[in-house]
Amino acid sequence: GQQLNQSPQSMFIQEGEDVSMNCTSSSIFNTWLWYKQDPGEGPVLLIALYKAGELTSNGRLTAQFGITRKDSFLNISASIPSDVGIYFCAGLPLMYSGGGADGLTFGKGTHLIIQP
Amino acid sequence: GAVVSQHPSRVICKSGTSVKIECRSLDFQATTMFWYRQFPKQSLMLMATSNEGSKATYEQGVEKDKFLINHASLTLSTLTVTSAHPEDSSFYICSARDFEGGYSYNEQFFGPGTRLTVL
Repeated sequence: GQQLNQSPQSMFIQEGEDVSMNCTSSSIFNTWLWYKQDPGEGPVLLIALYKAGELTSNGRLTAQFGITRKDSFLNISASIPSDVGIYFCAGLPLMYSGGGADGLTFGKGTHLIIQP
Repeated sequence: GAVVSQHPSRVICKSGTSVKIECRSLDFQATTMFWYRQFPKQSLMLMATSNEGSKATYEQGVEKDKFLINHASLTLSTLTVTSAHPEDSSFYICSARDFEGGYSYNEQFFGPGTRLTVL
């Protein structure tokens, strides 16, 4: 099936620093979604991207849909303690091969740890 | 809007028993819901797509006779893990789409998950 390469796997930063993470794919995606998951909870949608080149912000978060449609990045500016968690990219490939209709393919996640 | 609930949030059962997990869209109708499984420190893996009024479609490697899915109404999908074994212990998460609520068709909203532990 489709695979998304998400990096970095984990980040240890100081409060107030900016954060950047990205996802790449070997195939074209027509939708990129960024989620945050806290321990023991379901993922919460942060940003959704639908067009190549699209740049979208949600407060301190900014994400872009790569021009090639094979990558996306998420930036977090001026990190605060509540930003701690696992961030997942997820996408809907242009041609999905799974048995499901529109199930998302997830990256392996970026674990963000903030030191005060 | 676009709130999804799951019940129970946590279940512990003996090996060989069956466990039913409910997924509900609280403020919208969902013709399609999805079931994912997440092992500790790993990502979410799609198990199956639940379609209201029709049979679920399963991903490769997911046993349809073991993971029974029923989507009987526009707001409820259930996942039954039959004859559960310790290797079925995992975090099961459902999601749903609300494309009539102003959200895009591809946006999925997740429930809080169900932690299954099989002894």
